[in-house]
Amino acid sequence: AQTVTQSQPEMSVQEAETVTLSCTYDTSESDYYLFWYKQPPSRQMILVIRQEAYKQQNATENRFSVNFQKAAKSFSLKISDSQLGDAAMYFCAPIPITQGGSEKLVFGKGTKLTVNP
Amino acid sequence: DTGVSQNPRHKITKRGQNVTFRCDPISEHNRLYWYRQTLGQGPEFLTYFQNEAQLEKSRLLSDRFSAERPKGSFSTLEIQRTEQGDSAMYLCASSLALGREDTQYFGPGTRLTVL
Repeated sequence: AQTVTQSQPEMSVQEAETVTLSCTYDTSESDYYLFWYKQPPSRQMILVIRQEAYKQQNATENRFSVNFQKAAKSFSLKISDSQLGDAAMYFCAPIPITQGGSEKLVFGKGTKLTVNP
Repeated sequence: DTGVSQNPRHKITKRGQNVTFRCDPISEHNRLYWYRQTLGQGPEFLTYFQNEAQLEKSRLLSDRFSAERPKGSFSTLEIQRTEQGDSAMYLCASSLALGREDTQYFGPGTRLTVL
């Protein structure tokens, strides 16, 4: 069974500054994806960024980037130039890759990010 | 391009009543997932479908819960004889499972309150 640990229940950052959210996971699978999802107060989960475990290059999506360390099973999210709209719960979720596509996501408990003006 | 939609958005019911939620996935997505999220927690997997076939059910899905996806399009999640512990946000997600490229997209959720 997969487990996901997000050790920071809450984080805060000043607008325009950089913040890093941590995530560690445990899986026996060798091939998997890792996702970060964001859930603003409106409650709809939105995909932030995705990383394939076999790729050594860290994924980047505009102001969002990851630091993926496969051996350490660590997958942190860095948000640069933080904006007020980044305030949300952030969830990390690994998922094994199968021939038929993705299966169930296993989520951590989340990190609540507050952005201060 | 419309995303995943869920109805109703909110449902308040009395203990012991039956409730049914609907999820409409993104058009042409062949996989559909149901998750449950309680306050302060991450979503927990309940069940998923590939087309009309229900491929996996979580142990969280008691006998009072049933899900269907007739014709492989929309899905319904029914809870019979609701209990206060069923109060949660019920999230639906869909994906286009074609080889390695696959990402789940979520709907806005249905918030259930059982009095």
